[in-house]
Amino acid sequence: EPEVTQTPSHQVTQMGQEVILRCVPISNHLYFYWYRQILGQKVEFLVSFYNNEISEKSEIFDDQFSVERPDGSNFTLKIRSTKLEDSAMYFCAIARDSLSGANVLTFGAGSRLTVL
Amino acid sequence: DQQVKQNSPSLSVQEGRISILNCDYTNSMFDYFLWYKKYPAEGPTFLISISSIKDKNEDGRFTVFLNKSAKHLSLHIVPSQPGDSAVYFCAASYGNNRLAFGKGNQVVVIP
Repeated sequence: EPEVTQTPSHQVTQMGQEVILRCVPISNHLYFYWYRQILGQKVEFLVSFYNNEISEKSEIFDDQFSVERPDGSNFTLKIRSTKLEDSAMYFCAIARDSLSGANVLTFGAGSRLTVL
Repeated sequence: DQQVKQNSPSLSVQEGRISILNCDYTNSMFDYFLWYKKYPAEGPTFLISISSIKDKNEDGRFTVFLNKSAKHLSLHIVPSQPGDSAVYFCAASYGNNRLAFGKGNQVVVIP
């Protein structure tokens, strides 16, 4: 069983529509992250979420994005009004214990969003 | 934002030989560097990390070298195996903050 499960695996939507991407870790975690990767480009940080609050967000994470933890296990990324340039692979990640002290993240398989 | 750079987007190597992946960074505040591997249709998987106070870390077939003065790190895979064929991302972090990723290198190991 994967440590982080993301749904849907692929979503196609019309420009201007709202999209909700979901993330469920295998066990309770306090720290969540969302990253995205536009095709052919690098993996980019969107937002980190700690103890039910946004702890850090990037320049990409503007007012059309929001994150929620609607219950103890689900973690969602909402894009309010999708644009063509939002087409990307969206990865949810959790921080895992690391003896080395490094910020090691465990990623889900991703949700591919295609905006038409 | 080009804090972490990976050039030479793809690498082909014969099975059993060494694969060397390079990464350069600009932010001298980074305190950890990590390598992730990614297969198609999967998320990135953590491979190995190194603290900025070290210059080498080894884990089985994988070794990461860090040259702080040159702001350069490399990942050595030896011997390379067909299952190593994947995209490899270099990443860096400061404190417990976000990871900054490079664009990735496609590695193809030829049997």
